Amino acid sequence: DVKVTQSSRYLVKRTGEKVFLECVQDMDHENMFWYRQDPGLGLRLIYFSYDVKMKEKGDIPEGYSVSREKKERFSLILESASTNQTSMYLCASSARGLDTQYFGPGTRLTVL
Amino acid sequence: QKEVEQNSGPLSVPEGAIASLNCTYSDRGSQSFFWYRQYSGKSPELIMFIYSNGDKEDGRFTAQLNKASQYVSLLIRDSQPSDSATYLCAVNQDAGNMLTFGGGTRLMVKP
Repeated sequence: DVKVTQSSRYLVKRTGEKVFLECVQDMDHENMFWYRQDPGLGLRLIYFSYDVKMKEKGDIPEGYSVSREKKERFSLILESASTNQTSMYLCASSARGLDTQYFGPGTRLTVL
Repeated sequence: QKEVEQNSGPLSVPEGAIASLNCTYSDRGSQSFFWYRQYSGKSPELIMFIYSNGDKEDGRFTAQLNKASQYVSLLIRDSQPSDSATYLCAVNQDAGNMLTFGGGTRLMVKP
């Protein structure tokens, strides 16, 4: 079974803090994705990566950056957290050439 | 902008009935279609996918695809209260394994 894990289930941070969200997958998947999910807005793609050290902007990259130093790990960074970044953050992965994405458990981030 | 549309619901069905969830998409070039189930506070989990026109059955679930009309549906037979969740439709985009998600339909199965 595909397993995608995320570093925290719940996180509370203060405005202006730098926040790191980590995602690890154990299926040797090439593709990894970061989404945020908000009521009424659905799942929105922040960034994705097709390979180590590669990254592409999704639909809403502003205020975020990512890092992929190892194939199994994809990190989302909030350089200076703001209250409008309070959300559920979901990581997903898929194999090269395949569309099926598998999700991690999510991190509910609250920025005060 | 490629779009995937779902009725947000809630769709309420009695236990044992058939629940029918629908999804339309705008990109005629889409080839892969997915249904995810998401319980409140949890992450989406894959139920099934379909690539070809027609029906695909997996247990109590049947996915139906009609590319000419650009819709995909999910039927849940013998609905159970444990099926109560939000169901997300996802459609592939042209470039590199990305998916576009619909907003989800909330299903409530009443005992």
